[in-house]
Amino acid sequence: SQQGEEDPQALSIQEGENATMNCSYKTSINNLQWYRQNSGRGLVHLILIRSNEREKHSGRLRVTLDTSKKSSSLLITASRAADTASYFCATPLTQGGSEKLVFGKGTKLTVNP
Amino acid sequence: DSGVTQTPKHLITATGQRVTLRCSPRSGDLSVYWYQQSLDQGLQFLIQYYNGEERAKGNILERFSAQQFPDLHSELNLSSLELGDSALYFCASSVGPGDDDGYTFGSGTRLTVV
Repeated sequence: SQQGEEDPQALSIQEGENATMNCSYKTSINNLQWYRQNSGRGLVHLILIRSNEREKHSGRLRVTLDTSKKSSSLLITASRAADTASYFCATPLTQGGSEKLVFGKGTKLTVNP
Repeated sequence: DSGVTQTPKHLITATGQRVTLRCSPRSGDLSVYWYQQSLDQGLQFLIQYYNGEERAKGNILERFSAQQFPDLHSELNLSSLELGDSALYFCASSVGPGDDDGYTFGSGTRLTVV
């Protein structure tokens, strides 16, 4: 079953605009991660935010985490055509003493030049 | 280049056949994870190995098996293939569970079963 769910499923914006994607999850977590996937390629780790952090920045990326609402958001500022990709949130799920990442179905972002 | 190498990149095979997908993790990473990505199911965790030992199992079919060798490379074996097994199969690696750098993914193997 999916742990995280992204919203919206698809987002289309103009270059220069900001893009916001949301993720909701079900169980308590110790961190939440965001990944990007260009069409048909492997996923690339973007940022990890810990459960005791509320906000984290990396370049044009800003991630927030609200553990009371079990939700996170990824903001991409001043978007570029090269940001066109699918974005996934992932949360670790502990199983039998080991941890695996469970991914949502992603938000497909299209940035139009 | 992410440092995780997957071969082959593309594979076309017939139903009922068996294939082996190979993954070499990033240098220094002890954990290997296999994921299946299809349009309808999204990214599904299959199995995890850590330093040669199976650590976690997900929605992996009995027709599928995997192992991690002493040199840390891993193989995913898919047998009695069905049309529904057509998907992208990703391998990812990390130093270990809970690694702050997240997972490093390979570029995937696109399997087409005809």
